[in-house]
Amino acid sequence: AQSVTQLGSHVSVSEGALVLLRCNYSSSVPPYLFWYVQYPNQGLQLLLKYTTGATLVKGINGFEAEFKKSETSFHLTKPSAHMSDAAEYFCAVSEYNFNKFYFGSGTKLNVKP
Amino acid sequence: GAGVSQSPSNKVTEKGKDVELRCDPISGHTALYWYRQRLGQGLEFLIYFQGNSAPDKSGLPSDRFSAERTGESVSTLTIQRTQQEDSAVYLCASSLYSDNGYTFGSGTRLTVV
Repeated sequence: AQSVTQLGSHVSVSEGALVLLRCNYSSSVPPYLFWYVQYPNQGLQLLLKYTTGATLVKGINGFEAEFKKSETSFHLTKPSAHMSDAAEYFCAVSEYNFNKFYFGSGTKLNVKP
Repeated sequence: GAGVSQSPSNKVTEKGKDVELRCDPISGHTALYWYRQRLGQGLEFLIYFQGNSAPDKSGLPSDRFSAERTGESVSTLTIQRTQQEDSAVYLCASSLYSDNGYTFGSGTRLTVV
């Protein structure tokens, strides 16, 4: 079975600073990787995904993530944090058949003025 | 519909009662998923439907939990004899092609008192 580890349940950055949210997965086969964002009292929204092709993927709201197979990582970054980025972020992995997504436990991002 | 619709949005029930949670997926989406999100935790997979069949029920926590889907559309998650540990947000998601990731509903917040 897959497992997804998100390092840091809470991350705090200053507005304008780099955002780095870490995600590592365990997989015996090439995975498909996703980042979701959950704003307070809302459902989850897809930020970006990696399935095949270029390992650096760009998503909405200026976020991007890079799939590094050798490190089994899919860290989420944004060069400059905005107050509106404050939310909870979930990394997810799916195997080739997409029958089930495995989610990490989430990282809450706090952006300080 | 335009999005995944879940009802009710909030449900408070007494311990021991049965509850039904409803999910209306995006029209035409063949795959439907149920997840549970306990307070402060990540998403826990419950069940996956492809069409009206459920090839993966492995996440259902106990035999008190059941789910069905009819007409390749609406799905109902039923929890019998609710317990306090069932308190959580129950999220439904649907997908046309799973490599697009899911579209999530806003969830049903279940509180068992």
